[in-house]
Amino acid sequence: GAVVSQHPSWVICKSGTSVKIECRSLDFQATTMFWYRQFPKQSLMLMATSNEGSKATYEQGVEKDKFLINHASLTLSTLTVTSAHPEDSSFYICSALSTGRGYEQYFGPGTRLTVT
Amino acid sequence: QQQVKQSPQSLIVQKGGIPIINCAYENTAFDYFPWYQQFPGKGPALLIAIRPDVSEKKEGRFTISFNKSAKQFSLHIMDSQPGDSATYFCAASKEQAGTALIFGKGTTLSVSS
Repeated sequence: GAVVSQHPSWVICKSGTSVKIECRSLDFQATTMFWYRQFPKQSLMLMATSNEGSKATYEQGVEKDKFLINHASLTLSTLTVTSAHPEDSSFYICSALSTGRGYEQYFGPGTRLTVT
Repeated sequence: QQQVKQSPQSLIVQKGGIPIINCAYENTAFDYFPWYQQFPGKGPALLIAIRPDVSEKKEGRFTISFNKSAKQFSLHIMDSQPGDSATYFCAASKEQAGTALIFGKGTTLSVSS
């Protein structure tokens, strides 16, 4: 149990285009999901907190108009990178908060984004 | 106050050894301390977690020791195996607040056979 999936697992896009990444909790409901960004050999950096049915809360320095987050259901959150640039290339990881399991946070497998 | 400091940055042990990874935190409001294991190109996987009401928790070969007064916690891996070679992250959060985890910078562990 406690499986979180992400789609796609990797994506290559051209500069200026938009990319959508999906995060799903497969066997539990998650009112809260988080989006992280990870650069090679570095730790996870929190980008935003996504609560079902409400606007996401972005961390300082994260452009909310560039990284659009939607949490329309208890099992799905999406991150859209708009007008992507090469510096947006990174490993994006979502996590889902499972309050039914004593507050455990489960991570997806990550999405490797490369912007050319 | 939001930082979680993790050490060492990297660690090499022989098979069967007991690597120890340490973390320290400042925010006394933190009450949930998980450890995650991450392999290259994969998302972090929850290994084991502890809350401040206990000083030690063991699950299989993984043990967390927790020192509330010192605001420190550590991960011990018993009888380490080459398959344990990965990056380990400690984290902390305020559980009831449902807030995001604050991660340490990670420790890259290599277990040689």
